[in-house]
Amino acid sequence: SQQGEEDPQALSIQEGENATMNCSYKTSINNLQWYRQNSGRGLVHLILIRSNEREKHSGRLRVTLDTSKKSSSLLITASRAADTASYFCATDDNKGGGNKLTFGTGTQLKVEL
Amino acid sequence: DAGVTQSPTHLIKTRGQHVTLRCSPISGHKSVSWYQQVLGQGPQFIFQYYEKEERGRGNFPDRFSARQFPNYSSELNVNALLLGDSALYLCASSFGQPSTGELFFGEGSRLTVL
Repeated sequence: SQQGEEDPQALSIQEGENATMNCSYKTSINNLQWYRQNSGRGLVHLILIRSNEREKHSGRLRVTLDTSKKSSSLLITASRAADTASYFCATDDNKGGGNKLTFGTGTQLKVEL
Repeated sequence: DAGVTQSPTHLIKTRGQHVTLRCSPISGHKSVSWYQQVLGQGPQFIFQYYEKEERGRGNFPDRFSARQFPNYSSELNVNALLLGDSALYLCASSFGQPSTGELFFGEGSRLTVL
């Protein structure tokens, strides 16, 4: 089953605009990660934020985490056409039975020229 | 350096057949995880192996099995294929347990079951 859900499911913006995606999850976590996937190919890790962190930056990416609301957001500033992809949040809850990442349902981002 | 490599990239099987998918992790990585991604959904965890031992299993039937070899490469086997097994199967590696950091994914093996 999916741990979280991304919102919106799809997002279309113009190049240069900012894109914000939200992720909600259900259980307590050790960390939350964001991944990007181009058209059914492999996933690429973007950023990891630990449960004791509230905000993290990496280049044009800004991630926030609110553990009280069990939610996270990914902001991509000054978007480019090359940012067109699906974006997934993934949580690590470190429950018994081995470590695993539980992915959300994804946001499809389209950046138009 | 080579990334995570998976083979085959595409394959077509019929119901009832079995399939073996292969994964070579990044050199030095000891953990391999397998994920199933059905079209339009996020990846779902199938197995994790660390130091050749199974460390986690997702909610998949016993038709799914895996193993990790001494060189840390891995195989995912699926028996008695069903139409619903059609998906992109992703392998990911990490140096330690996935909870310690990011996963590095291969490009996947796209399985179509007819």
